[in-house]
Amino acid sequence: DVKVTQSSRYLVKRTGEKVFLECVQDMDHENMFWYRQDPGLGLRLIYFSYDVKMKEKGDIPEGYSVSREKKERFSLILESASTNQTSMYLCASRPAGLGTGELFFGEGSRLTVL
Amino acid sequence: AQTVTQSQPEMSVQEAETVTLSCTYDTSENNYYLFWYKQPPSRQMILVIRQEAYKQQNATENRFSVNFQKAAKSFSLKISDSQLGDTAMYFCAFMNLNFGNEKLTFGTGTRLTIIP
Repeated sequence: DVKVTQSSRYLVKRTGEKVFLECVQDMDHENMFWYRQDPGLGLRLIYFSYDVKMKEKGDIPEGYSVSREKKERFSLILESASTNQTSMYLCASRPAGLGTGELFFGEGSRLTVL
Repeated sequence: AQTVTQSQPEMSVQEAETVTLSCTYDTSENNYYLFWYKQPPSRQMILVIRQEAYKQQNATENRFSVNFQKAAKSFSLKISDSQLGDTAMYFCAFMNLNFGNEKLTFGTGTRLTIIP
């Protein structure tokens, strides 16, 4: 089974802190994604990566950056956390190519910024 | 840009009944996938069912089936014989199949509660 693991289920940070959210997948998937989930807004794409060291902005990249130094790991970075970044963050992966298009998700990281 | 609309924020149904979740989308593309994902409480999101736009036949997975109306840009999910384990958030999603743009766009979700 595909496993996507997010390092922290729950985090509480203070405004201005630098926050790292880590995601690791064990199925050698090329594509990895970071989404933000908010009530009434659904899932919105922050960043995605097609390969190591490659990244592309999604729909709401402001205030975020990402790092993909190894194929299995995709990190989301909040350089200076703000209260409006309080949210559930979901990491997902899938193989390269169109295939079935199915995304495999982690369990999510719920971030609270005070 | 593609948009996905789920007009039912919340629904509830008695166990064993049938429920239909609505989804509409807007796109100028002709080649795409549509998905329904399920997110149980405090658990990870999983794929329920997938539909390829070029296929006229509606997809079915056990108790889950879709009504895909391409001209109307409608993609509803029907859950038959609903079970307590079907309680979850359900998200409709669209994926453009044009190379280099295979991102998923999600709707806002429908919270479904199955009542014992």
